[in-house]
Amino acid sequence: DAKTTQPPSMDCAEGRAANLPCNHSTISGNEYVYWYRQIHSQGPQYIIHGLKNNETNEMASLIITEDRKSSTLILPHATLRDTAVYYCIVRVRGSNYKLTFGKGTLLTVNP
Amino acid sequence: DTAVSQTPKYLVTQMGNDKSIKCEQNLGHDTMYWYKQDSKKFLKIMFSYNNKELIINETVPNRFSPKSPDKAHLNLHINSLELGDSAVYFCASSQLAGSGYNEQFFGPGTRLTVL
Repeated sequence: DAKTTQPPSMDCAEGRAANLPCNHSTISGNEYVYWYRQIHSQGPQYIIHGLKNNETNEMASLIITEDRKSSTLILPHATLRDTAVYYCIVRVRGSNYKLTFGKGTLLTVNP
Repeated sequence: DTAVSQTPKYLVTQMGNDKSIKCEQNLGHDTMYWYKQDSKKFLKIMFSYNNKELIINETVPNRFSPKSPDKAHLNLHINSLELGDSAVYFCASSQLAGSGYNEQFFGPGTRLTVL
């Protein structure tokens, strides 16, 4: 699985959009980008995933650059409950079963 | 309804003891996992079972023995507990990998403290 690089921490004001970047410059053509988050003292939670097209669901949007070397997770209207560690993971869909978590980005949403 | 449940939520025990953590999922998934999150918050895969068969064993000491009595359960037994085993253990489940959509659902975690 390709390695990812994320900033260790970010701040965001409540109600504003939170844009979390992820660099995955060594991504292969058959590797997907997955985002999970872990709210304090809870298990990780799936957010969204994508291959090359932008994706949106009820939680977030995922923007993947055309060369697929980086992506941005967007929480359109961050709330205090979005404070969590966000993990960007790159892996071949359906492969190897496991998720390899990096250090992630601690997003703090401030009132 | 709880999708992935673990018991106990907290476990405090002495070095050298043997303990078990239980995990159950009611999602009808074929694959279950154990992850360990240490004090530095790194989250690492330990084991994965697919249809009761072990498919991943990530260099975990053989004091750790997972057991899957059926598809819905994956228990973790730890022998001769050591201080370094103190961590939060997460169980997870997913649909069969290869079927495409294999989002993993995690349990609430079991915080193990070895004294």
